[in-house]
Amino acid sequence: AQSVTQPDIHITVSEGASLELRCNYSYGATPYLFWYVQSPGQGLQLLLKYFSGDTLVQGIKGFEAEFKRSQSSFNLRKPSVHWSDAAEYFCAVGASSNYQLIWGAGTKLIIKP
Amino acid sequence: EAGVVQSPRYKIIEKKQPVAFWCNPISGHNTLYWYLQNLGQGPELLIRYENEEAVDDSQLPKDRFSAERLKGVDSTLKIQPAELGDSAVYLCASSRQGETGELFFGEGSRLTVL
Repeated sequence: AQSVTQPDIHITVSEGASLELRCNYSYGATPYLFWYVQSPGQGLQLLLKYFSGDTLVQGIKGFEAEFKRSQSSFNLRKPSVHWSDAAEYFCAVGASSNYQLIWGAGTKLIIKP
Repeated sequence: EAGVVQSPRYKIIEKKQPVAFWCNPISGHNTLYWYLQNLGQGPELLIRYENEEAVDDSQLPKDRFSAERLKGVDSTLKIQPAELGDSAVYLCASSRQGETGELFFGEGSRLTVL
C-alpha cells in the first residue's frame, strides 16, 4: 500500500538549534517527493521537491532534504531554526504519471526561545 | 502574482444546512484541486479539475458534495446537507498543467457544523 509516515507528531527545538524532520514512504513507482509548510492561518507552501538527480535538494527558507532510496526516506533539515519556522510540516509523495499526492499526517514544529 | 483566493475563511452552520465555498486559482493555472483537511491530518483530495473538466472525483462524496468549475477558472464546492462530520478545513489549490505536486494553496475555508 502507498503511504507516507511522519513519525513525529510534535518536535520542540530551541531557536538557533539544528532541525531534522523525518519522512518515510512506501510507494510502488519512482517517487516524486515534496515537503510543504503550513504556518498558522496560512495556506500550505511548497518548501522543496525531489524528482531525480542529486539526492540532496535545496529549498526555500534555508531548508534542505535528502532522498535516501535504500531507506525510503526524505528527511527535512535546517542547520539553524528561527522562531518564524514554527509551523506544521507535511511530507508528500507522488508520481509523474498521476496527480494524486499521498500526504503524511504532518509534524508540528515548536520553537523554544 | 496574486495567490489562490478562497472565501469564506470561516463558516459556522447548523447541521442539515447547505454551505458553499469559492476558489479563484492563480491566473493561468489550468489544474484546480479541492482538498479536505481534518485536524492533525494531511490534506485529502476531493476533486481535481483540468480546465472545466473534473478528471478525478473518486473521493468526492457525491450524495452531499458537489463542485463546479464552469468556465475553467474559479470553482465552487457545495455541501448539502451538511453533517457534523463535515467540520474541517476545505483547501483549494492550483497548479500549472503537467507540474505534478507543485501546488499553490489558498488559506482554506474552515467549516464548523453545529
